[in-house]
Order: sequence, then C-alpha cells, then structure tokens
Amino acid sequence: EDQVTQSPEALRLQEGESSSLNCSYTVSGLRGLFWYRQDPGKGPEFLFTLYSAGEEKEKERLKATLTKKESFLHITAPKPEDSATYLCAVHFGNEKLTFGTGTRLTIIP
Amino acid sequence: DAGITQSPRYKITETGRQVTLMCHQTWSHSYMFWYRQDLGHGLRLIYYSAAADITDKGEVPDGYVVSRSKTENFPLTLESATRSQTSVYFCASSGTGGTNEKLFFGSGTQLSVL
Repeated sequence: EDQVTQSPEALRLQEGESSSLNCSYTVSGLRGLFWYRQDPGKGPEFLFTLYSAGEEKEKERLKATLTKKESFLHITAPKPEDSATYLCAVHFGNEKLTFGTGTRLTIIP
Repeated sequence: DAGITQSPRYKITETGRQVTLMCHQTWSHSYMFWYRQDLGHGLRLIYYSAAADITDKGEVPDGYVVSRSKTENFPLTLESATRSQTSVYFCASSGTGGTNEKLFFGSGTQLSVL
C-alpha cells in the first residue's frame, strides 16, 4: 500500500533556528510530490511541486528537496509567521493524492 | 472575487438527516475534489470530478453523493448522516492536469453530526 509519513509530528523552534521537516513515501512510480501549508481554520495553501529526484525548489525561507524515497522541507532562519502545519502529498497516479498527517511547526519569538 | 468558496462554514446536524455542502469556484477549473480531514488521518479523497457530468470515487466514498451539472459547482451530499462523518470537509480545484497540478482549497466546512 502506498504510504506517506511525515516527521516530526510537531516541532518547536526559536526564531532564527533553522531545521528540516521530512516526508518519506513508499511507492513505485511517483508522479509528483507536493508541499502545502495549512493555517488553523483554513484550507491548505500550495507551496511547491517536485517531480523528480534531485529537484529543488525555493521560496523565501523555504526550500524543498526530493530524493527517491523522501523529501525535505528546509526552513532557514524562520520567523513567527512561518508557524503552521506543513503537509506533504504524493501523487501515485489515477488522480489519487495521498497526504501525510503533517508537521505542526511553531516558531517562538 | 475569484476563488473557491464553500458553504456553510459550520454545520451541526443529527444522525439520519440529509446534508449538502456547497462548493463554488470561479476559475473554470476542470477538476474539482472533495476531501475530509480528520486527526490522525490527514486529508482523504471522497470524490472527484474531471469535468461537468463526470465524477468518480476516491478513497472514502461510502455514504456520500456528488453531482456536477455545471463546471463551477460541486456539491457534496451526505444522504443519511452518521457520527463517523463528523469532520472538516475541504473542496479543491485544479486545472486540466488534475491531481498532478497544484490544488486550490476552499476554507472548509466543519460538520458535526450529533
């Protein structure tokens, strides 16, 4: 069965303290891997799409990378406004997008 | 304003009642999706639609019905609500690439079945 696992479940960082979130998957034939940000009481908001191993995407303090078995979301010098839940989703085909359960990130001023 | 809107924002109902959640998008996106979000499960696909009058089951379709007579609307109906359907429901849309494109999500409907 295709699975997506995110770790850690929750992460508390001091403002400016860089770290990484992990998304690992068990699948053959990955079509695409997506990162979303979700704020409390809101729908997920798209961040990045990665399609092949070795690909990297950046946006402000965030950088997403992809290998054959996992993706990392690196957060550099985070600010309190980066606090959110970060969701990873993997497209295995047949319009099926499997989401992980997310990492709840808290940045402490 | 352009975007994807869901209504109602909050809904409380009783077991056995029929409930319809509404979803409207203004981008003329081909694909629309319904997900439910529960603690410990992440987002799970209920139904999706590739175009008007074309719908298909997702991962957890039992107890739900959808229709798509117009491109912009994709209502989700719970025919006879059960407590296990208490959840937060998100509608999403995407362009012709379907699931392999980024999804645009609505703000969600929080449904409580008593």
